[in-house]
Amino acid sequence: GQSLEQPSEVTAVEGAIVQINCTYQTSGFYGLSWYQQHDGGAPTFLSYNALDGLEETGRFSSFLSRSDSYGYLLLQELQMKDSASYFCAVRDGGNYGQNFVFGPGTRLSVLP
Amino acid sequence: DSGVTQTPKHLITATGQRVTLRCSPRSGDLSVYWYQQSLDQGLQFLIQYYNGEERAKGNILERFSAQQFPDLHSELNLSSLELGDSALYFCASSPPSGSGSGSYNEQFFGPGTRLTVL
Repeated sequence: GQSLEQPSEVTAVEGAIVQINCTYQTSGFYGLSWYQQHDGGAPTFLSYNALDGLEETGRFSSFLSRSDSYGYLLLQELQMKDSASYFCAVRDGGNYGQNFVFGPGTRLSVLP
Repeated sequence: DSGVTQTPKHLITATGQRVTLRCSPRSGDLSVYWYQQSLDQGLQFLIQYYNGEERAKGNILERFSAQQFPDLHSELNLSSLELGDSALYFCASSPPSGSGSGSYNEQFFGPGTRLTVL
C-alpha cells in the first residue's frame, strides 16, 4: 500500500527552529512536496524535492533522502503566522499520470 | 489568491441527492486534480485530468465522477450522497510538464467547496 507518516502535532516558540519529518512508502516515487494549510484555508505549495539533499527557500528548507524514504521540512525563525498544518506529499506517477499521495498532516503551534 | 476558482463555496444537501462541483484552473494550466478533505483528515486524492483526458485515479468512489471540458474547466459529480461524503472538496491545477523545472509538481489549490450532507 501507499502511506506517509508525519508527527500529528509539533509545538515551538517564536524565533525557534522546528523540523517536521515525513517517511513514505509508495509504489512509485517522483518527488516529495510540502504544503502549508491554515485553518479554513486552501493548501499552498512550499517546496519540492526530486533529488537527495537540501532545498532552501527563505526561512523554509526541505530535505530528501530517497534511500531512507525520508524527508523533512525545516522552519527557521518561527513566526506566529507559521501556525498551520503542514502536509508532505509524494508524487508516485510519472509525467503521464500524477497521483499525489498526501500525508496526514502535522499541526504546528507557534507560541509567543 | 491562487488563480483557481471553485463554485459553489458552500453546499448543503440531503442524503441520496446529487451535486456538481465546478472548478476553473489557472490560465495556462492543463492539469486539474480533485481532492477530498474530511474533518481533521488529510487530503485524499480523487482524480486527475490533463487537457480533457483522465490521467490518474485515486480513491474515488464509483458514486463520484468527473470530467474536464474543452475550455479546461472541470466538474466533479457526486451522487447518491451519504452523510460521510460531507467534506471540503478541493480542486488544484498545475502547469504543463516542460513549462519549467519541476513546475508541474507545484499544485495551486482553489478555495474549496464545503459540502454538508444532512
